[in-house]
Amino acid sequence: AQTVTQSQPEMSVQEAETVTLSCTYDTSESDYYLFWYKQPPSRQMILVIRQEAYKQQNATENRFSVNFQKAAKSFSLKISDSQLGDAAMYFCAYRGNSGGSNYKLTFGKGTLLTVNP
Amino acid sequence: EAGVTQFPSHSVIEKGQTVTLRCDPISGHDNLYWYRRVMGKEIKFLLHFVKESKQDESGMPNNRFLAERTGGTYSTLKVQPAELEDSGVYFCASSQLGPWDTEAFFGQGTRLTVV
Repeated sequence: AQTVTQSQPEMSVQEAETVTLSCTYDTSESDYYLFWYKQPPSRQMILVIRQEAYKQQNATENRFSVNFQKAAKSFSLKISDSQLGDAAMYFCAYRGNSGGSNYKLTFGKGTLLTVNP
Repeated sequence: EAGVTQFPSHSVIEKGQTVTLRCDPISGHDNLYWYRRVMGKEIKFLLHFVKESKQDESGMPNNRFLAERTGGTYSTLKVQPAELEDSGVYFCASSQLGPWDTEAFFGQGTRLTVV
């Protein structure tokens, strides 16, 4: 079974600074997707960024980028120029891609990010 | 376009009572998932519908939980009778059906407290 580990229950960053959230995972599959979701205090989870395992290039979405190390099974999220609106719970998630229509996600415990003004 | 909607947003019930949670997916999304997050723990998969059919219910904790998806539209998750350990936030997500990668959209969740 796949597992996702987020070793940082809480992190804080100063506004405009950069912060990196860690995520490791375990799987025997070779083809899969990794995601970072953000859950602001309003509680609706939003997809931040997605990485396909077969792509070597790290995904980037504006101020958000990942460092995907497939051999190490590591998938960290870097937030540059942090803004107050980035404060949220961040979840790392894994999804297999072995075929079929079941795309259930396996989540980590989450990292609560605080942005200090 | 409306997102995934969940009702109620909060529910406080006594142990032994019954609660029904509802999820309205995005229109046209055949995939519907239920997840649960118990305080301090991971978000755990409960089950997956494709249209009105249960594709995977391997995450359902026990037979006190019953999920339905009438006509392949909205879904309900009933807990009967509720126990203290059922407390948590229940999330619903939906996505389009297809062989390609499809993004899952989440609702705001229902916070269930069993006292």
